[in-house]
Amino acid sequence: AQSVTQLGSHVSVSEGALVLLRCNYSSSVPPYLFWYVQYPNQGLQLLLKYTSAATLVKGINGFEAEFKKSETSFHLTKPSAHMSDAAEYFCAVSPMNSGYSTLTFGKGTMLLVSP
Amino acid sequence: EAGVAQSPRYKIIEKRQSVAFWCNPISGHATLYWYQQILGQGPKLLIQFQNNGVVDDSQLPKDRFSAERLKGVDSTLKIQPAKLEDSAVYLCASSPTGQGPDTQYFGPGTRLTVL
Repeated sequence: AQSVTQLGSHVSVSEGALVLLRCNYSSSVPPYLFWYVQYPNQGLQLLLKYTSAATLVKGINGFEAEFKKSETSFHLTKPSAHMSDAAEYFCAVSPMNSGYSTLTFGKGTMLLVSP
Repeated sequence: EAGVAQSPRYKIIEKRQSVAFWCNPISGHATLYWYQQILGQGPKLLIQFQNNGVVDDSQLPKDRFSAERLKGVDSTLKIQPAKLEDSAVYLCASSPTGQGPDTQYFGPGTRLTVL
């Protein structure tokens, strides 16, 4: 079974600082990987996804993530945090060799941004 | 384009009562998902429909949970009878095809509190 591990349930940064949210996956073959963001009392919104086309994936709101097979990682980064980035972020995995797309989510990382 | 609609947004019930949630996916999306998100955790897939057929309900507690998607459009999720541990946010999502790295679009969720 595939799974993802998000290191750190909470990450605090100052406005303007680098954002780094960690995600490691467990899978016998490289899967599809996703990052979703959830704002309070809202559903999840896709930030970006890895589909094997390119290892560096750029998403919305200035976020990007790099797929590293050797490290089984897909960490999310943003060069400069904004107050509006404060939310919960979820990494998710979906098998690449399966007929249907099924997401397995990590436990999430809450990003706190201070002025 | 209208997003995924869910109702009600909030529901409070006593244990052993029944409750139903409704979801209307994005028009034209073949695949519909129901997730359970317990506080502090990532969403967990309960059931996945492809048009009006079930493709994955392996994590649905079938002794108390049921779901249907009549005519392959909107869907209802029912819990009968509810237990305290069912307190969670129930998220509905839809995707165009349900294949490969298909993006899932989430509704705002229904927050259920069981007393």
